[in-house]
Amino acid sequence: AQTVTQSQPEMSVQEAETVTLSCTYDTSESNYYLFWYKQPPSRQMILVIRQEAYKQQNATENRFSVNFQKAAKSFSLKISDSQLGDTAMYFCAFMKLLYSGGSNYKLTFGKGTLLTVNP
Amino acid sequence: GAVVSQHPSRVICKSGTSVKIECRSLDFQATTMFWYRQFPKKSLMLMATSNEGSKATYEQGVEKDKFLINHASLTLSTLTVTSAHPEDSSFYICSARGPRATNEKLFFGSGTQLSVL
Repeated sequence: AQTVTQSQPEMSVQEAETVTLSCTYDTSESNYYLFWYKQPPSRQMILVIRQEAYKQQNATENRFSVNFQKAAKSFSLKISDSQLGDTAMYFCAFMKLLYSGGSNYKLTFGKGTLLTVNP
Repeated sequence: GAVVSQHPSRVICKSGTSVKIECRSLDFQATTMFWYRQFPKKSLMLMATSNEGSKATYEQGVEKDKFLINHASLTLSTLTVTSAHPEDSSFYICSARGPRATNEKLFFGSGTQLSVL
């Protein structure tokens, strides 16, 4: 079974500064996806960024980027130029990749990191 | 992008009654949907995987008779909490596997806050 660990329950950052959220995972799989989801106070889950394990290049989406270290099983999220709207719970998640066409696309979530961006 | 609609957003019911929560994929067909439960300030816990036209697959520890899942069409899955009790109070979220081109992406509903009195 896969496990996802987020060791920082809470973090805070000043507006316009950069913050990095940590995530480690444990799996015996070689092909998988990793995700960062954001859950603001509205509780709507929003996909921030995703990374395919077979790609060495780190994914980037505007102010959000990841540092994917496959050997170390580490997948951190960097938020640059933090904005007040970035205040949310952030969840790291793992999905096993199946080529068999099966419907098993389950996400395993970490416990989350509550990020507060201060003005 | 793909939209998943979940209703109701909030429901309050009396202990012993049943509550149905709907999850619809609005602009795509979702052969697979997932139901999660989230306690305050906690992570999402997968309850079951809903497959269109077949029985749902429940995670270990989830009562099948308590949480009835029906996925009768390619755009609708329902979760019925039967004989609800206060301990069933929680935030329930559904998600749907995206269209074929982006099938590793899951799209989430906006959630349902269930309060059982």
